[in-house]
Amino acid sequence: NAGVTQTPKFRILKIGQSMTLQCTQDMNHNYMYWYRQDPGMGLKLIYYSVGAGITDKGEVPNGYNVSRSTTEDFPLRLELAAPSQTSVYFCASSADIRSSYSNQPQHFGDGTRLSIL
Amino acid sequence: DQQVKQNSPSLSVQEGRISILNCDYTNSMFDYFLWYKKYPAEGPTFLISISSIKDKNEDGRFTVFLNKSAKHLSLHIVPSQPGDSAVYFCAATTRGGSEKLVFGKGTKLTVNP
Repeated sequence: NAGVTQTPKFRILKIGQSMTLQCTQDMNHNYMYWYRQDPGMGLKLIYYSVGAGITDKGEVPNGYNVSRSTTEDFPLRLELAAPSQTSVYFCASSADIRSSYSNQPQHFGDGTRLSIL
Repeated sequence: DQQVKQNSPSLSVQEGRISILNCDYTNSMFDYFLWYKKYPAEGPTFLISISSIKDKNEDGRFTVFLNKSAKHLSLHIVPSQPGDSAVYFCAATTRGGSEKLVFGKGTKLTVNP
C-alpha cells in the first residue's frame, strides 16, 4: 500500500527555472493538499483540492500553480523559481469526512527537498 | 498571526518518564485537533486527535487533553521511549469543510536512554 507518493525526493534548481513536483495517492481520497515547511517552522498550506477539477489557494500560494485532473494526482508547479521557494514540500490527502466526525486524518508523503540557487 | 502555537522548541526527558508537549490556539472556530509525529527525512505521521466535544482522548501510551476555555491542548506520552524522539506538530482545523490544517512550529522531543 503506497499511500501518498512524491517525486522527486530532492532537486536543485537555478533561479528562474521551472519544475513540477509530482504527487499521487492510491487511497481514493477526494481531498489533497500541498504544504511547505521552512527550517524551524510548521507546515504552511500552499494549495488544496476537494476533488478533481477543483482547487483553491491556501496561506502561501504566490509563485505556485496546481491542477487536479484526476482523483489520484495533484501536481504542484513552480513557474519562475526564486530563492525564497527553497523549502521542503509535502503533499497530503484525506477522505471526505463531512458526514461524520470519524477519524480521517491527512496522510502525508515523505516530501520533496527543493533548493534554488 | 500564528493561530496555533507551540512555545517550546525542544523538550528532553528520561526514558520511562512522562513527556508533556503543549499547544495553544487562538481561533475559536477550530473544532478538531491533531498531533503529528515527524522523523527526519520523512513526512508527518498522524499520532492522535481530539474533537472539541471531548476533553480527553487516549490511545495506548498517548493521551491528548483539551481545555477549550483556555484554548490549550497537551500531549502526554507515558512511559516515554527512545523511539519517541521526533518532532511533534500540533495541528487544528474546522471540520465540515476542506479540512485544511493549521500547524504549530513543532516541538523536538528527545528521550534519553
